[in-house]
Amino acid sequence: DAGVIQSPRHEVTEMGQEVTLRCKPISGHNSLFWYRQTMMRGLELLIYFNNNVPIDDSGMPEDRFSAKMPNASFSTLKIQPSEPRDSAVYFCASSLVTYEQYFGPGTRLTVT
Amino acid sequence: KNEVEQSPQNLTAQEGEFITINCSYSVGISALHWLQQHPGGGIVSLFMLSSGKKKHGRLIATINIQEKHSSLHITASHPRDSAVYICAVNQGGKLIFGQGTELSVKP
Repeated sequence: DAGVIQSPRHEVTEMGQEVTLRCKPISGHNSLFWYRQTMMRGLELLIYFNNNVPIDDSGMPEDRFSAKMPNASFSTLKIQPSEPRDSAVYFCASSLVTYEQYFGPGTRLTVT
Repeated sequence: KNEVEQSPQNLTAQEGEFITINCSYSVGISALHWLQQHPGGGIVSLFMLSSGKKKHGRLIATINIQEKHSSLHITASHPRDSAVYICAVNQGGKLIFGQGTELSVKP
């Protein structure tokens, strides 16, 4: 298996633009997680899905952030409009019910 | 106070030394994870444990549920072990992370 796939790996955008991050989980995994990592706050859970259904989105910072999982093999995290404080590394991870999570390589987002 | 506390935050060791990183937590958990993040940024799961002890190569992880404490040990440390080690607790399916321990092993 190729592992968790994220795209793009790097994204540089201007303030106010829409940003879409993509994730393909490991085939067969039924849970998907979006995390954000910054120097100040470390790793934080943004949202997670079980069987494509959002279970906990309490970590989503504000209405500018939205996430979808239209099917078991694809998820998106969208920021609209983006702001400089959104600059971070965004990780996607997937797991089976055993809870061990497999992380993707991350997307490094820079908002100027 | 953070729900997951790691110590030390930074650690420098000489090659060959025995290393211990500690993690304490204050919430009920179903499991505890130890993760490794190399300078390139990728995150790898080292251990997931809910009781006792696990060993993988030179790495050993222990957990004491009653004391809400876990340790990660590295025996015969090597410069390639240099990384950030992150403790995370699983609470209802979601992970809560410690702030990480940055380990540097000098040759």
